[in-house]
Amino acid sequence: QVQLVQSGAEVKKPGASVSVSCTTSGYTFTSYSIDWVRQAPGQGLEWIGTVNPSDNSTTFAQKFQGRVTMTRDTSTNTLYMEMTSLRSEDTAVYYCARLLDYGIKWLDPWGQGTLVTVSS
Amino acid sequence: DTQMSQSPSSLSASIGDRVTITCRASQSVSFYLNWYQQKPGRAPKLLIYSASTLPSGVPSRFSGRGSGTDFTLTINSLQPEDFATYYCQQTYSPPRTFGLGTKVELK
Repeated sequence: QVQLVQSGAEVKKPGASVSVSCTTSGYTFTSYSIDWVRQAPGQGLEWIGTVNPSDNSTTFAQKFQGRVTMTRDTSTNTLYMEMTSLRSEDTAVYYCARLLDYGIKWLDPWGQGTLVTVSS
Repeated sequence: DTQMSQSPSSLSASIGDRVTITCRASQSVSFYLNWYQQKPGRAPKLLIYSASTLPSGVPSRFSGRGSGTDFTLTINSLQPEDFATYYCQQTYSPPRTFGLGTKVELK
């Protein structure tokens, strides 16, 4: 079955960077883009951006442009999201999710989430 | 960016009740509207895609309607496992924005 397994929780200081990984299995890695979404404590879902593993092309929400990079490793079927210049407001659970695109698009399944805590 | 609004932000209901949640887009998103269910401490789970299509395994008591800017999610005969937070998301154009969520609680 299709699975997305994310890396473990991280604690970072303000100004640091964090990398979250998302290892996929159960489907052809290059056939589907991956979206990244975050959720601050007690808050809703916020779309960060998307990466197409076939060509590493990316699209980001404007507020994350310049501070987030998304890459992939086709040898391990793993995606990475790196965020730099972390601040306390970046404390959140970060999710990766497979984007199904048949004209209509939807996210399924989702990874289990990675808690990133930014604190001095 | 397309803004998504949901109402109500929370509701209290009893087992067996019929519940309707509304999602409105700030501009037309055609049928590019999905619903997700999230339980505490868990990742969101796809509930409905393309406004009204249920993925395999989702109970038929869930239904979705709408197109353009106005959408609804209805749960017929609420079950104990349905108490959760529900989010709509538009995938018409990036950024693929979400509504703020509707928390369904036990009355």
